[in-house]
Parts: sequence; C-alpha cells; structure tokens
Amino acid sequence: DIQMTQSPSSLSASVGDRVTITCRASQSISSYLNWYQQKPGKAPKLLIYAASSLQSGVPSRFSGSGSGTDFTLTISSLQPEDFATYFCQQSYNTPWTFGQGTKVEIK
Amino acid sequence: EVQLVQSGAEVKKPGESLKISCKGSGYIFTKYWIGWVRQMPGKGLEWMGIIYPGDSDARYSPSFQDQVTISADKSISTAYLQWSSLKASDTAIYYCARQLNIPRSAFDIWGQGTMVTVSS
Repeated sequence: DIQMTQSPSSLSASVGDRVTITCRASQSISSYLNWYQQKPGKAPKLLIYAASSLQSGVPSRFSGSGSGTDFTLTISSLQPEDFATYFCQQSYNTPWTFGQGTKVEIK
Repeated sequence: EVQLVQSGAEVKKPGESLKISCKGSGYIFTKYWIGWVRQMPGKGLEWMGIIYPGDSDARYSPSFQDQVTISADKSISTAYLQWSSLKASDTAIYYCARQLNIPRSAFDIWGQGTMVTVSS
C-alpha cells in the first residue's frame, strides 16, 4: 500500500492567516492526489482533486499543488469556517489511502 | 440534488451479521463507482473498497478483503456493505461516497455516515 504522511498533525492559526499543509507519498503518485475537509460529526467534503483542481463550489482561497511525491494544500486567508481537519488521499493505486489528517485550530 | 442517503445507526453484538445501505439519487446510479470508507472513533479515514453498480464489479482493500462484502442493487440505486460476523473492532462510522466520473479520481459526494456499534 502507498503510505501518505501529512504534516503537521495539527496547527494553530488566526483568522486571515495563510496556512499550508503538506502531504508526502511513499512513492510517486503522479497527480492522483485529493484533499478533503472534515468538520466534527460531519462527512468529509472534497476540496481539491487531481492535485490542483478546485471542486465546484469550493472557495478560491483553497488551492493545491504538487506532483510525484510531494503535495501542498494552501488556504490563502483562513476564515472561521475553515477550522476543521484536512485529509489528503491518493487515488493512484488501490487501495486508495489517506493521510492521518491535519487539525487546524483557532489560535 | 445529487445525494447519497445511508441507513441509520446500528447496535449489534459480536458474532451478529449486519448489512447497511447507501441509496443514491439525483444522478445515474449505474454510471459512477461507489466506495466505502471507515472511520474508527477519533481516528482517520480508511478506504475499504469500491463497486461499480452498473455491473457489480467490486474491488477491496486487502485490509478488508474477506472481512466485508460490498454489493449493489441497481434496480433500487442502492449499495450495501455487509458483515457476516461482527467484532468489537468493527465499531466505527461507515461512509459511502461517489467517485467522480474520472478514472482514479476523488469522492465528490458523501453519505451522512452510518454509526455501527458492536458491544456485548
């Protein structure tokens, strides 16, 4: 299985901050990398697919980049509704695998 | 509106069987892969497997192969996840999710989740 490692595991940030979350794959996955947001008690929500494609309806402050083994999710200006846990997922090889999550908390 | 609606929470005893469901609406159910994802209490997301309702082609994660069965009934636009003998370690929230209609892509629509509690 392809291992996905996110960093950091958690972070504290203020409204308006620029936030960057990193995801590293244990082998090259081309651009088959997706990002999800999950709030407590809710199902995950797709933010970014294919490394950098913004899902319909997702605010443009979210962006993704990277290819191969190293990827980044950036929130350009953190909003109150963005405090949540973020997961990366590879869809290059089955079984699709997720990172362990990054919890974004209020500073 | 495109949506997946899952069956309600279940409380079972170890050794019992269970089948939970996921009903799709608002789109052509047979044209999109449906996956199942496990989230154990306070933990991350685990991909269990996926099925193409058009022909019931199912793929499993090795971690879940022989532990669960994924099936679909296209006549009622419903996918299923079932266990023949539950264990306490099966306690989790189970999500179904639709895969984007692009090969090797992401899950764009998620069900609300089904909480399964296995306890004696």
